[in-house]
Amino acid sequence: SQKIEQNSEALNIQEGKTATLTCNYTNYSPAYLQWYRQDPGRGPVFLLLIRENEKEKRKERLKVTFDTTLKQSLFHITASQPADSATYLCALLIYNQGGKLIFGQGTELSVKP
Amino acid sequence: DTGVSQNPRHKITKRGQNVTFRCDPISEHNRLYWYRQTLGQGPEFLTYFQNEAQLEKSRLLSDRFSAERPKGSFSTLEIQRTEQGDSAMYLCASSLSAGATYEQYFGPGTRLTVT
Repeated sequence: SQKIEQNSEALNIQEGKTATLTCNYTNYSPAYLQWYRQDPGRGPVFLLLIRENEKEKRKERLKVTFDTTLKQSLFHITASQPADSATYLCALLIYNQGGKLIFGQGTELSVKP
Repeated sequence: DTGVSQNPRHKITKRGQNVTFRCDPISEHNRLYWYRQTLGQGPEFLTYFQNEAQLEKSRLLSDRFSAERPKGSFSTLEIQRTEQGDSAMYLCASSLSAGATYEQYFGPGTRLTVT
């Protein structure tokens, strides 16, 4: 079965710096990888999707990379702001199983002013 | 459209009681998913529906759990004879089966506490 892991330790960075979060997966089968943001007491909110044949995807200050050889995705937030503080979840989308998501445990990001 | 809604937002129940949660997805979404999330963990897949058909159930979903989606609209998740281990946030999400990004829209969740 697929397994997905994120750095469980919280990441603390200074405002304006780039935050980099890591997501590793095992037993990969053709799938897509998504990143979500979750604030306390709320449901996750979709940020980006990256497909297996894409190396990189960007959206405003966000960048996601996908290395199928390393079985790793990196999520970058450039010019980070205190409002970026949240938990970030990566998820494998199992396309041939109804699009269900297998989530990592999430990484809590704290951006200090 | 107001997004995915879930009711109730919080539920406290005594062990052994039955509880039922409701999810109202985005109206044009044909797929509906239930997940369970405990503190410090990511959501865990429980089950999903395409229209009114329940197409997959996780092994996490014991016989005490049942979900329905009559008429392919709202969905209910019932837990019978609740146990303390059932305490968690129950999240509902909906999506289009043919969406470009396969984005799932999550509701705010129902937080269940079993005492």
